[in-house]
Amino acid sequence: KQEVTQIPAALSVPEGENLVLNCSFTDSAIYNLQWFRQDPGKGLTSLLLIQSSQREQTSGRLNASLDKSSGRSTLYIAASQPGDSATYLCAVKAGANNLFFGTGTRLTVIP
Amino acid sequence: NAGVTQTPKFRVLKTGQSMTLLCAQDMNHEYMYWYRQDPGMGLRLIHYSVGEGTTAKGEVPDGYNVSRLKKQNFLLGLESAAPSQTSVYFCASRQGQVDSPLHFGNGTRLTVT
Repeated sequence: KQEVTQIPAALSVPEGENLVLNCSFTDSAIYNLQWFRQDPGKGLTSLLLIQSSQREQTSGRLNASLDKSSGRSTLYIAASQPGDSATYLCAVKAGANNLFFGTGTRLTVIP
Repeated sequence: NAGVTQTPKFRVLKTGQSMTLLCAQDMNHEYMYWYRQDPGMGLRLIHYSVGEGTTAKGEVPDGYNVSRLKKQNFLLGLESAAPSQTSVYFCASRQGQVDSPLHFGNGTRLTVT
């Protein structure tokens, strides 16, 4: 069974810092990998989706990379802002209809 | 567009009671999913549907039933609630292409006493 791990579980940084969130998975046979953002009491919002054939995706200040062979992905956030405070989850699509989720990294950006 | 709407937002049940959670999407998505989110665990798939009139089991289907009578609605039922079903339930939907992203509702927080 696919297992997805996110380390660290929580991270606090001062505003303006660049930061990297990590995601690792055990089975490299994936269709794609998605990064989500979850605000307290809310659902998940899709940030970036990387197909298995891609190495990275960018959206604004966010850049996600994928190294399928090593089972790793990173989410890079440039020039962090207090509004970036949220829990970030990664999920790998290992079958047509199932995503395996990590437990998330709770990010706090301190003004 | 409202996106994915879940009702109710909160519910408290006693052990053995039944209830139905409703998920509605207005994006004409083919695929719909029910997940549960528990502390210290990633979201886990309960049931899903690949189109109107179809349903299938996910990773943790026991104790739940689903129905997809209309394309825009996906219902999750608990026939006899148990404390282990205390969780936050999320509905999600997506288009038919395999790499289309998931769109989530805001969740239903269920407590079973």
